[in-house]
Amino acid sequence: GENVEQHPSTLSVQEGDSAVIKCTYSDSASNYFPWYKQELGKRPQLIIDIRSNVGEKKDQRIAVTLNKTAKHFSLHITETQPEDSAVYFCAASTNTDKLIFGTGTRLQVFP
Amino acid sequence: DVKVTQSSRYLVKRTGEKVFLECVQDMDHENMFWYRQDPGLGLRLIYFSYDVKMKEKGDIPEGYSVSREKKERFSLILESASTNQTSMYLCASSPLGLAGWSEQFFGPGTRLTVL
Repeated sequence: GENVEQHPSTLSVQEGDSAVIKCTYSDSASNYFPWYKQELGKRPQLIIDIRSNVGEKKDQRIAVTLNKTAKHFSLHITETQPEDSAVYFCAASTNTDKLIFGTGTRLQVFP
Repeated sequence: DVKVTQSSRYLVKRTGEKVFLECVQDMDHENMFWYRQDPGLGLRLIYFSYDVKMKEKGDIPEGYSVSREKKERFSLILESASTNQTSMYLCASSPLGLAGWSEQFFGPGTRLTVL
């Protein structure tokens, strides 16, 4: 069935370092790939998304890359700051009109 | 600002009770969704709706039903609550996107405990 795998489940970095979170998906019809950030006790919020006609998208310190052939996409955060600490979820659209979410990555940025 | 609200932040119910979770959005969004969030499992879709009185099953619909009588309101119903339905429930809404998918806006969540 449709599936999105997300790695790693936890990630600890020093402030200023980069962080990379990777996701793979199974549905070749997927064409929309959002990333959500959920701070402790708060609701998930969209931070960046990419569509299948684009290979990379950047927004200040965050970027997402997509490799449709390999069916994987990644979130890159540069110059990490303590306020980047949160759980990050990737997701992929399906041909049955749903979003399938990954299991989440808990990112901790240490000062 | 899009606002998605849920009727309760915390709810404690007993096994066998009928439970209603309400979600309201104020941005005239066509699409509404119910997810449950469990540690290590991410967000799993229970039901979604693209229009009033319309509903579609998600990945884990068993034990749940939904109602959408008005565009702004989407209700999740647990017909007979069980302990394995103890979870965080998140509602979301999104507009019909011109290019297909668009951002989903989430509510604050309802933490349901079934004893």
